[in-house]
Amino acid sequence: DTAVSQTPKYLVTQMGNDKSIKCEQNLGHDTMYWYKQDSKKFLKIMFSYNNKELIINETVPNRFSPKSPDKAHLNLHINSLELGDSAVYFCASSQDLWGQPYNEQFFGPGTRLTVL
Amino acid sequence: GQNIDQPTEMTATEGAIVQINCTYQTSGFNGLFWYQQHAGEAPTFLSYNVLDGLEEKGRFSSFLSRSKGYSYLLLKELQMKDSASYLCASRDNYGQNFVFGPGTRLSVLP
Repeated sequence: DTAVSQTPKYLVTQMGNDKSIKCEQNLGHDTMYWYKQDSKKFLKIMFSYNNKELIINETVPNRFSPKSPDKAHLNLHINSLELGDSAVYFCASSQDLWGQPYNEQFFGPGTRLTVL
Repeated sequence: GQNIDQPTEMTATEGAIVQINCTYQTSGFNGLFWYQQHAGEAPTFLSYNVLDGLEEKGRFSSFLSRSKGYSYLLLKELQMKDSASYLCASRDNYGQNFVFGPGTRLSVLP
């Protein structure tokens, strides 16, 4: 009955590698997000995506790319991993804004990425 | 741009009331959210304000003043399980960009 799920929960890898984190939501939501939470606990949006539009936070390096095979999935692919990429990555989803009084976000459990 | 400020840490006693303040400056505004995040867990939604005033939800209430760029989260009858970080977040006019504050770590003491 998990609403938003992510895999893996933990990811330890070497600098320079390419890795992916998967996210799936079974809530029927239209919009999905990726957030990065660093060691200081700042939660920063990286991408928001629905079937119409990808909005990229301009501070996100182009080594990060979201890939959405369908409305229920938004995976995060990271090329050439760097030490500074170590953080917890949260996926979230919400119903599209239009027609809703608000679009509460439901977060996945997070993926703790450690780059060595 | 958008900027959100909250106190870093607060401490309160079990059974008491605590108010966590949030100030924001945004280029566009379409709602203010509060989330709770326990250590090692995902944020969970608490409340939402888009109009001025108080929204009450059980032991938790949230207030918004758009003219002042100010919100607060009020927690009543504090319980030990309320020890967590509380994140204030604003949403822009387009509805898909959220900016989170640094979070306020609340410790509830017996």
